[in-house]
Amino acid sequence: DAGVIQSPRHEVTEMGQEVTLRCKPISGHDYLFWYRQTMMRGLELLIYFNNNVPIDDSGMPEDRFSAKMPNASFSTLKIQPSEPRDSAVYFCASSFTSGGIVDEQFFGPGTRLTVL
Amino acid sequence: QKEVEQNSGPLSVPEGAIASLNCTYSDRGSQSFFWYRQYSGKSPELIMSIYSNGDKEDGRFTAQLNKASQYVSLLIRDSQPSDSATYLCAVNQAGTALIFGKGTTLSVSS
Repeated sequence: DAGVIQSPRHEVTEMGQEVTLRCKPISGHDYLFWYRQTMMRGLELLIYFNNNVPIDDSGMPEDRFSAKMPNASFSTLKIQPSEPRDSAVYFCASSFTSGGIVDEQFFGPGTRLTVL
Repeated sequence: QKEVEQNSGPLSVPEGAIASLNCTYSDRGSQSFFWYRQYSGKSPELIMSIYSNGDKEDGRFTAQLNKASQYVSLLIRDSQPSDSATYLCAVNQAGTALIFGKGTTLSVSS
């Protein structure tokens, strides 16, 4: 099992540019989560999907952020336009449902985003 | 708002000692409880899960859950320098995403 795959691992961009982060969850997992981690705010949930359907996007900070999951094996998180305060590590995680409970989450390696 | 609280630390213990990490949560409906370890520059990795009151042991790690007090703890016996990391507590209830605490930084000195 390859685990959760994220790309790119590092992204440096200039303010105002569009940024697209990609995630491939573990095969068979029916939940996918996008998190952002900073020293100040810790690990924040941005949005999560169940069976490719967005369930809760209340953590998405602004309309500049959008996420899609066109199929069970691929998701994107897009920031347009990007701002310096978006600089953070973005993690994707996937999970499976066990007895109706979202069980342990497996995290990808993360994308370190720097917006200049 | 559902919250998970942890002491940010750092918690410093000598090698071989017991490290005790604590976590409280606000949502009484929480059903699943997890401890993740995160090394600097790496992603969180699951080390323990616990679902019912009491203790659960796995090697040098013991998770303790007290739902009445809304309290979860992690004990690390015979602490090693390689245990130095940030430990994240996470909780959830059925059909919802995990809510993470901000983590406790543990430093084990040799």
